[in-house]
Amino acid sequence: KQEVTQIPAALSVPEGENLVLNCSFTDSAIYNLQWFRQDPGKGLTSLLLIQSSQREQTSGRLNASLDKSSGRSTLYIAASQPGDSATYLCAVRRDTDKLIFGTGTRLQVFP
Amino acid sequence: DAMVIQNPRYQVTQFGKPVTLSCSQTLNHNVMYWYQQKSSQAPKLLFHYYDKDFNNEADTPDNFQSRRPNTSFCFLDIRSPGLGDAAMYLCATSRDSGRASEQFFGPGTRLTVL
Repeated sequence: KQEVTQIPAALSVPEGENLVLNCSFTDSAIYNLQWFRQDPGKGLTSLLLIQSSQREQTSGRLNASLDKSSGRSTLYIAASQPGDSATYLCAVRRDTDKLIFGTGTRLQVFP
Repeated sequence: DAMVIQNPRYQVTQFGKPVTLSCSQTLNHNVMYWYQQKSSQAPKLLFHYYDKDFNNEADTPDNFQSRRPNTSFCFLDIRSPGLGDAAMYLCATSRDSGRASEQFFGPGTRLTVL
C-alpha cells in the first residue's frame, strides 16, 4: 500500500530564505508526482508535475526534484515571500487514476 | 479561462438531510474526481468517472453517490449526512488517465452538518 509522508509538518521562516520541503513515498512504481499549494479553506492549486522518467521540473522560484528509486521528492522554494505562506501537498499516482496525498507541510513566511 | 467550478462554496445542512454538491468544468476533460478532505488531513478519493464509467473506491461509504449527466457536470449526493461527513469536498479533472495526466482542482465546497 502506497504511503506518502511529508516532513516537516510545519515550517516558519523569515522572508528571503531559500527552503526545501520533503516528500517521501513507499512504493517507487509511480506514474508521476504532483506538488500542490492549498491556501486556508481553499482548493488545491497545481504547482508542478514530474513524470516518473523526469528528474526535476522548474516553474519560476519553484524547483521540484524526483528520485524515484529512493522514493523521494523535494520542492525547493527560492527567495521565499510572505505570499508563499500556505500548505504544500505532494501526491503520487500509480496505475490507477487515484492520487495518494501526503498530509502536507504548513509553511509560514514572515516579513 | 478554462477552469473547474464548484457550487456552492459553503453548504450547511442538517443531520440526515440529503445534500447535493455540484462541479462543472470548461476544460473538456474526460475524467472527473471527487475527493473528501477533513480538517488537517490529506484529500481522500471517493470516486471518479472516466467519461461515463463510474469507479467507486472500496472504502467509500454507501451514503455517498455521484452522477455525471454530461462531460461538463458531476454531482456528489450525500443521502443522509452525518456529523462525520463535515469536510471540504474537492472536485478535480484530468484530460485522460494516461501516465502524463495532471489533475486540476476546483476551489472546493466546505460542508457543515448541524
